[in-house]
Amino acid sequence: DIQMTQSPSSLSASVGDRVTITCRASQGISNYLAWFQQKPGKAPKSLIYAASSLQSGVPSKFSASGSGTDFTLTISNLQPEDFATYYCQQYNFYPLTFGGGTKVEIE
Amino acid sequence: QVQLQESGPGLVNPSGTLSLTCAVSGGSIASSDWWSWLRQPPGKGLEWIGDIYHSGSTYYNSSLGSRATISVDKSKNQFSLKLSSVTAADTAVYYCARRGAVGGHHSFDYWGQGTLVTVSS
Repeated sequence: DIQMTQSPSSLSASVGDRVTITCRASQGISNYLAWFQQKPGKAPKSLIYAASSLQSGVPSKFSASGSGTDFTLTISNLQPEDFATYYCQQYNFYPLTFGGGTKVEIE
Repeated sequence: QVQLQESGPGLVNPSGTLSLTCAVSGGSIASSDWWSWLRQPPGKGLEWIGDIYHSGSTYYNSSLGSRATISVDKSKNQFSLKLSSVTAADTAVYYCARRGAVGGHHSFDYWGQGTLVTVSS
């Protein structure tokens, strides 16, 4: 199975900040990577697919890049509604696997 | 707008079988998409359980052994999950989701709201 490792596991930031989350795959997955946002008690929301493509309706403050084994998600101009847990996920190989999550908290 | 809605018992006895259904609206289950079940134990991360295509082709997470079975009912535009021999470790919020086809990528785009299933006597 492909292991997805996210870092950091949590971070504190202020409104208006720019933050970057990294995700590393245990083997190459090309660009078959997605990012999700999850708020407490809610289903995950799809943000990014194909490593860097925004899902429909997702604001451009979210950007992502990477290919192979190393990926990043950047959130610009953090707003209160952006404080949540973010997950990466690979869908190049079965079983589909997720990173452990990065909790973005208010500083 | 595609919508997915999980339904099923919220409490299952240990050693019993968990059964959930996901009703799809706003789109056809016979499209070129994959339909998935995932779960999230309380306070933990996401785990993919398995996928089904409208043809009936399935893929499962081997971590569940052979306990999971996913089926599709095209006449009702829904798909279902059965998980047998459940234990307390199977207590989780269960989600159904669609892996939409875009440019050769099948990534999760639509999710159900999730349903909590507790395994307890």
